[in-house]
Amino acid sequence: NAGVTQTPKFQVLKTGQSMTLQCAQDMNHNSMYWYRQDPGMGLRLIYYSASEGTTDKGEVPNGYNVSRLNKREFSLRLESAAPSQTSVYFCASRGTGDTGELFFGEGSRLTVL
Amino acid sequence: RKEVEQDPGPFNVPEGATVAFNCTYSNSASQSFFWYRQDCRKEPKLLMSVYSSGNEDGRFTAQLNRASQYISLLIRDSKLSDSATYLCVVNRKAGTALIFGKGTTLSVSS
Repeated sequence: NAGVTQTPKFQVLKTGQSMTLQCAQDMNHNSMYWYRQDPGMGLRLIYYSASEGTTDKGEVPNGYNVSRLNKREFSLRLESAAPSQTSVYFCASRGTGDTGELFFGEGSRLTVL
Repeated sequence: RKEVEQDPGPFNVPEGATVAFNCTYSNSASQSFFWYRQDCRKEPKLLMSVYSSGNEDGRFTAQLNRASQYISLLIRDSKLSDSATYLCVVNRKAGTALIFGKGTTLSVSS
């Protein structure tokens, strides 16, 4: 079972470049999330989508846009990358009910020079 | 004040020790509580949910005190394989995102 798949796993960008992180889940989950993780900061929510067709801002949305393309896919776009966006990005999904179990992708390590 | 706060540690303990982690949350309307585990450079994974009555899973015991807005995780008979970062996680209400604490790092040595 693939679970949650993120691409790319590694990326180096120059300041001002744009890129899209892709995320897909095959568990038929309604909710999907993008978090970033920085040393000493823990996981911080960027955006989430409670269901297909809806998206909401999290704690740190500035500089990012998201698209819930369909139930399976939730992409994160950096329009003009900045060094402050150097981080590890995790996509996650969760099914219905309140079990609390988020299923994470393996992470995307992004460096902005 | 951060919504979910944890002692970052690190906690350095010998094998066989008992160690406890604490977590506080600021939103009294929070509904669900969890502990996640994250190994170095890996994705977080659910360790256990936390119920008001307290719950146990083998060597792990989780407690919730709603009045004090406090969550704990107790690990008994620590193993080398328990070395990881433990994340306290809170859900404000159903359908909203989970909020993570910064994590507590545990290092178990032989």
